Amino acid sequence: DAGITQSPRHKVTETGTPVTLRCHQTENHRYMYWYRQDPGHGLRLIHYSYGVKDTDKGEVSDGYSVSRSKTEDFLLTLESATSSQTSVYFCAISEGQGKANYGYTFGSGTRLTVV
Amino acid sequence: AQSVTQPDIHITVSEGASLELRCNYSYGATPYLFWYVQSPGQGLQLLLKYFSGDTLVQGIKGFEAEFKRSQSSFNLRKPSVHWSDAAEYFCAVGPSGGYQKVTFGIGTKLQVIP
Repeated sequence: DAGITQSPRHKVTETGTPVTLRCHQTENHRYMYWYRQDPGHGLRLIHYSYGVKDTDKGEVSDGYSVSRSKTEDFLLTLESATSSQTSVYFCAISEGQGKANYGYTFGSGTRLTVV
Repeated sequence: AQSVTQPDIHITVSEGASLELRCNYSYGATPYLFWYVQSPGQGLQLLLKYFSGDTLVQGIKGFEAEFKRSQSSFNLRKPSVHWSDAAEYFCAVGPSGGYQKVTFGIGTKLQVIP
């Protein structure tokens, strides 16, 4: 299994402050994703990356930005945190050939609370 | 647009009983279908997946799922539930060629009683 580490595991921040979450993988996978999980909504895609410096938006990208300067690291930034961004954030990599997605491997998540 | 419906938010079964979790999807072509499990405080783990071929797929932890195109369903089953199966289960659908567009259902929380 791919090694995926998310940091921090928990964070409390104030409204209006920027926050950066980190996802680190050890398996050199090309595709990486950020999801948020909220009760009643399942998981929703925020942003994804298909290579170094190659990223694109998911369905709930407003208020978020990402960067991928190295294959192993995918950063998610909340530009100005709001209470609606209180959530559990999961990073994932996909196992697959080319563009096919054969299934995700998820990190353990970051629980973010915006007060 | 693709979508996934998990009609049961909570299910309670007795240990040793059989289990079926329902999943219906909407997608115009043959999809990739997945079931994931999430234990409390943990990330999601892939249970099984369907891409093509045999419509009955086997996964980890003794789970299986059957793809029924005519019913747009991909229900998850287990013949005998163990207390350790208590978790939340997510069905997901993605297009065969689209790595970025996997859509998840809202999940079914399984409670197992002794």
